[in-house]
Amino acid sequence: SQTIHQWPATLVQPVGSPLSLECTVEGTSNPNLYWYRQAAGRGLQLLFYSVGIGQISSEVPQNLSASRPQDRQFILSSKKLLLSDSGFYLCAWIWSTEAFFGQGTRLTVV
Amino acid sequence: AQTVTQSQPEMSVQEAETVTLSCTYDTSESDYYLFWYKQPPSRQMILVIRQEAYKQQNATENRFSVNFQKAAKSFSLKISDSQLGDAAMYFCAYRTRLMYSGGGADGLTFGKGTHLIIQP
Repeated sequence: SQTIHQWPATLVQPVGSPLSLECTVEGTSNPNLYWYRQAAGRGLQLLFYSVGIGQISSEVPQNLSASRPQDRQFILSSKKLLLSDSGFYLCAWIWSTEAFFGQGTRLTVV
Repeated sequence: AQTVTQSQPEMSVQEAETVTLSCTYDTSESDYYLFWYKQPPSRQMILVIRQEAYKQQNATENRFSVNFQKAAKSFSLKISDSQLGDAAMYFCAYRTRLMYSGGGADGLTFGKGTHLIIQP
């Protein structure tokens, strides 16, 4: 069966520090992977998506970047966090009408 | 680009009563999917119900049903016999069907959500 893992679950980071959130998928190959951010009162905003290794598309210009080093691994990064990067980050694997979500990461930048 | 609008930031209903959550969307496509997701305090996204735009019949899943009005681009969710466990954020979402065969670079477009409160 398909499962998606995301970690860490909670993260508190100082302004200016780096960030690395990891998402891995099991039970499929060549998945389409997505990073969403959920800010208070703003729903889920698509940040990045990837249809294959090394293929990254950015939906919103920002302080974040994404990478797909392996088929089933999707990483969200930042070199220097801003206060505005605080929020809840969700990794998703979406295929046709099916969507599988990670447990999410609550990031607080202080 | 498609947009999804949920005009009710918060709704409150008495336990065992019926509540309807509103959702409208904007698209130029004729074939697509619509979803309602539930996000409880645990933040896990849970699929509630799914509707395919080419199907005229409204989808139902136990106590959950939708009123899909394609011409009006409206997709409301009705929860009957509300239970305390229904308390959560509810998100309406849209997905194009154009990329069906090859997966989708468009992903899901979400509304801002409706916070549903169940009064005991």
